Amino acid sequence: DSGVTQTPKHLITATGQRVTLRCSPRSGDLSVYWYQQSLDQGLQFLIQYYNGEERAKGNILERFSAQQFPDLHSELNLSSLELGDSALYFCASSAPGQTAGNTIYFGEGSWLTVV
Amino acid sequence: AQSVTQLGSHVSVSEGALVLLRCNYSSSVPPYLFWYVQYPNQGLQLLLKYTTGATLVKGINGFEAEFKKSETSFHLTKPSAHMSDAAEYFCAVSYTGGFKTIFGAGTRLFVKA
Repeated sequence: DSGVTQTPKHLITATGQRVTLRCSPRSGDLSVYWYQQSLDQGLQFLIQYYNGEERAKGNILERFSAQQFPDLHSELNLSSLELGDSALYFCASSAPGQTAGNTIYFGEGSWLTVV
Repeated sequence: AQSVTQLGSHVSVSEGALVLLRCNYSSSVPPYLFWYVQYPNQGLQLLLKYTTGATLVKGINGFEAEFKKSETSFHLTKPSAHMSDAAEYFCAVSYTGGFKTIFGAGTRLFVKA
């Protein structure tokens, strides 16, 4: 158990809909990351937050948005869903401090299926 | 730009044989290097990492990796494969001053009985 909690574990929704994925980082961690994993594109970095502020942006679509709240939990919002958005979405966290060598701890992921 | 290349999307070995998973990185500054493992239906977890110091890094479950700056490589090895090693392995790189950890495409390891 990494200490990173993600909900829901599984989600099935229709095209055009909007969903919210939730993440609680490890206790004490200030950084939260979101990744998308799919068979055709592998593991893609979406976005990182540090103590409530956006720190780095990756291959995140405009239809997707994220935020980190004062209690450090984070949400990833996916809207106008398309079939190609079906994937495993990981949240991860790392310890305080802007140290590039920090280990990233991953949650078990949220499986999103768009039908 | 920093990048990571994992050679071979699939590697198959027999139980008891040497495991060698290859990773090369591209970085204009000193890198931090990681290997993560993903077991079926689980998130990624750290196997080992190189930050500074000794270039041969030992990790969990008997795995080790050696940072070779001249070859820009960080290959993962294990002397004797076990069935429980079957998983997907990701090499990753980050660097001082950057906020992103860049992951390779992953190598799926199959272990045959």
